[in-house]
Amino acid sequence: AQSVAQPEDQVNVAEGNPLTVKCTYSVSGNPYLFWYVQYPNRGLQFLLKYITGDNLVKGSYGFEAEFNKSQTSFHLKKPSALVSDSALYFCAVRDIGGSTLGRLYFGRGTQLTVWP
Amino acid sequence: EAQVTQNPRYLITVTGKKLTVTCSQNMNHEYMSWYRQDPGLGLRQIYYSMNVEVTDKGDVPEGYKVSRKEKRNFPLILESPSPNQTSLYFCASSPPLSYNSPLHFGNGTRLTVT
Repeated sequence: AQSVAQPEDQVNVAEGNPLTVKCTYSVSGNPYLFWYVQYPNRGLQFLLKYITGDNLVKGSYGFEAEFNKSQTSFHLKKPSALVSDSALYFCAVRDIGGSTLGRLYFGRGTQLTVWP
Repeated sequence: EAQVTQNPRYLITVTGKKLTVTCSQNMNHEYMSWYRQDPGLGLRQIYYSMNVEVTDKGDVPEGYKVSRKEKRNFPLILESPSPNQTSLYFCASSPPLSYNSPLHFGNGTRLTVT
C-alpha cells in the first residue's frame, strides 16, 4: 500500500537556525514527491517537488529538499529559519504506476514553529 | 487570477439536512479532487475526477457524492450529513496528464454538523 510518514507532529526551532522536517514514503515504482505548506485559514500551497535528476531540489521561500532513494526519504530543509516559516507542512507522494495512477497521498503534517 | 474557488467558507448545519459545497477552477484543469482535513489525520481523499463525467472514490467516500458535468466545476454533496462529517474540506485541481504538476488548492470549507 502507498503511504507517507511524517514522524514528527511538531518541530520547534529558533530563528536563524537550520530546520529539517522529515518525510519517508512507501510506494511502488518511482514516485513524484512534493512538499506543501499550509498557513492558518488557507489552503495548501506548493513549495517544491522532486521528479527526477538532482537529488537536491530547491523551492519557494528558500526551502530545499533532499531525495534519498535508498532511505525512501524526502526531507525538507532550510538553512536559516524565519518566524514567518511557522506553518503546517505536508509531504505528498504521487503514484505514477499501477491501479492508483495519479493519486496523491499525503502525510499527516508537521507543525513547524520558529520562535524569535 | 488562476484559482480554485470554494463556497461557502464556513457552514453550520444539522444532521440530515442535505448540503452542497461548490468548487470551481479557472485553469482548464482536467483533474479535480476533494479532501478532508482532520487533526492528526492529515488530508484524506474523498473523491477525485480525471475528467468530465469521470469520477472515482478516494479513501473515505462514504456519505459523500460528487458530480463532474462541466470541466470547471466539481461540487461535493452530502445527502444526509452526520456529526462525523464535521471537518475542513479542500478542493484541488491539476492537469492530470502531467503528474509532476502540483495541485492547486482552494481556501477550504469548514463544515460543522450538529
